[in-house]
Amino acid sequence: NAGVTQTPKFRILKIGQSMTLQCTQDMNHNYMYWYRQDPGMGLKLIYYSVGAGITDKGEVPNGYNVSRSTTEDFPLRLELAAPSQTSVYFCASTERYQETQYFGPGTRLLVL
Amino acid sequence: GQQVMQIPQYQHVQEGEDFTTYCNSSTTLSNIQWYKQRPGGHPVFLIQLVKSGEVKKQKRLTFQFGEAKKNSSLHITATQTTDVGTYFCAVNTGGFKTIFGAGTRLFVKA
Repeated sequence: NAGVTQTPKFRILKIGQSMTLQCTQDMNHNYMYWYRQDPGMGLKLIYYSVGAGITDKGEVPNGYNVSRSTTEDFPLRLELAAPSQTSVYFCASTERYQETQYFGPGTRLLVL
Repeated sequence: GQQVMQIPQYQHVQEGEDFTTYCNSSTTLSNIQWYKQRPGGHPVFLIQLVKSGEVKKQKRLTFQFGEAKKNSSLHITATQTTDVGTYFCAVNTGGFKTIFGAGTRLFVKA
């Protein structure tokens, strides 16, 4: 099992550009999460999903969108990138609520 | 909304010294998880505490859950350079969300 994979590893965007961060898990987990981590800070929940077709907002959803068409994939869409979105983005999944979260390696995003 | 306070923000220790980080909540928790993130890496699950007063050990790491289930601690005995990283507590809230503490960054000087 590859676990949770994320692409790309690193990306530079210009202000106003858009992009999709990819997240895939091969553990058949129902719950998936997107977090952002600013330098020296903790993790902030952006969006989460409890199953295919079901998504909901976390703490900091503004400027982002998600979809969950399959159990495996949970892409995060950035529209109109802003410097404030410069961060490291982590995707995570868990089999059941309140259990261990498995994190992907992260995507480092720089918006200039 | 649900918040967890984690202290200290940073801790510098000499190798061999002990280290403790604390996580505090204003509300009663159903459980608490601890994660470790190495510099440049991703968070990795360490342990989950569920019961009031629970104490769990993993080699040199000791985890405690308070009697009132509002606080928790992670204690490392005789730190090693491999312990370097940031330690996060995480709590589950209603609505399937998980909230992470700000983390305690541990520096170990050899």
